[in-house]
Amino acid sequence: DAGVIQSPRHEVTEMGQEVTLRCKPISGHNSLFWYRQTMMRGLELLIYFNNNVPIDDSGMPEDRFSAKMPNASFSTLKIQPSEPRDSAVYFCASSWVAGGGEQYFGPGTRLTVT
Amino acid sequence: KQEVTQIPAALSVPEGENLVLNCSFTDSAIYNLQWFRQDPGKGLTSLLLIQSSQREQTSGRLNASLDKSSGRSTLYIAASQPGDSATYLCAVFSNTGNQFYFGTGTSLTVIP
Repeated sequence: DAGVIQSPRHEVTEMGQEVTLRCKPISGHNSLFWYRQTMMRGLELLIYFNNNVPIDDSGMPEDRFSAKMPNASFSTLKIQPSEPRDSAVYFCASSWVAGGGEQYFGPGTRLTVT
Repeated sequence: KQEVTQIPAALSVPEGENLVLNCSFTDSAIYNLQWFRQDPGKGLTSLLLIQSSQREQTSGRLNASLDKSSGRSTLYIAASQPGDSATYLCAVFSNTGNQFYFGTGTSLTVIP
């Protein structure tokens, strides 16, 4: 298995631009999680999906952030418009059963907003 | 809200030593606890998963224990090696809030 796949690995953009991060979970996993990691705040859960349905998006910082999971093999996290404070590493993770399953993380997308 | 604390924040030991990393959580209503390793600039690698009904899990030189009633978990690393140098994070899946909560991690350096 290729593991959780994220793209792009690095993204540099200017303030105000739209950014779209992509994730392909491990085949057969039914839960998907988006996290953000910064030195100041550590690892924060942004949103998670169970069977393609958003379960908890209370961690999404504001309306500029949105996430979709149109099918079991693909999810996007979109930031529009982006701001410098959004600079962070964004991780996607998947698991077999939400709440009971082992999480597997992707390599992350390092986002820099100038 | 569940709070997860890891102590110490940083640890430096000579190669060959056995060591213990600590993780504590405030709400004992958890489904499981997972230990991860993160190398600089990399993602998180799962080390061990302990279900709430279990007391410990072992993988190679690693042993993780769980005492749900006291809100504690430990990760024991035997005969440490320089390759063990990384940040170790614990995460609990809380029944309350129905999501994962991460600790801030322990940065481990094993000196050759």
